Amino acid sequence: KAGVTQTPRYLIKTRGQQVTLSCSPISGHRSVSWYQQTPGQGLQFLFEYFSETQRNKGNFPGRFSGRQFSNSRSEMNVSTLELGDSALYLCASSLQTNTEAFFGQGTRLTVV
Amino acid sequence: QQQVKQSPQSLIVQKGGIPIINCAYENTAFDYFPWYQQFPGKGPALLIAIRPDVSEKKEGRFTISFNKSAKQFSLHIMDSQPGDSATYFCAAVLNTGNQFYFGTGTSLTVIP
Repeated sequence: KAGVTQTPRYLIKTRGQQVTLSCSPISGHRSVSWYQQTPGQGLQFLFEYFSETQRNKGNFPGRFSGRQFSNSRSEMNVSTLELGDSALYLCASSLQTNTEAFFGQGTRLTVV
Repeated sequence: QQQVKQSPQSLIVQKGGIPIINCAYENTAFDYFPWYQQFPGKGPALLIAIRPDVSEKKEGRFTISFNKSAKQFSLHIMDSQPGDSATYFCAAVLNTGNQFYFGTGTSLTVIP
């Protein structure tokens, strides 16, 4: 059974640009959550999608957005990139609510 | 405000020792408590999880102890090995979705 797949693995972007990250959850999982991981702030929740609807949202500015498609694949978009957006972005998929979440390897975003 | 407080920040033990990592929370709406292990360059991997109606759970060399009245839970690693050297995160999940609140992480080093 394939795990959670995130693409690309690495990205380098310039301040002011926008970026789109992709996440393919485990087959059959309908919940996809996104997290930002930095040395200073740790793992912080961005948002969760369940059956194409955003169900929960963390405390991030509106520059961070996401969506989920009918096949449960999800994308996360960050517009007007700032240096502080440099982080490891992790996607997690879950079969149901309030249960195990399985993480992908992450996308390492560097903003220069 | 950190919803889940984790300690210690780092831990060094000899091979065969039993490292213990502690976490505390305040929100009684949390009802799922997983532990994750993360190696450098990888996404967090689910180790073991517990729900508040259980006081202890064992899976292999990993044990969670849960104290509902004190709102604390801990991870014990029996017979620790150098391969257990990693960063460990506790988390707490609300019963309304898959929004995980993570602790700040514990860097464990097991010396041969």
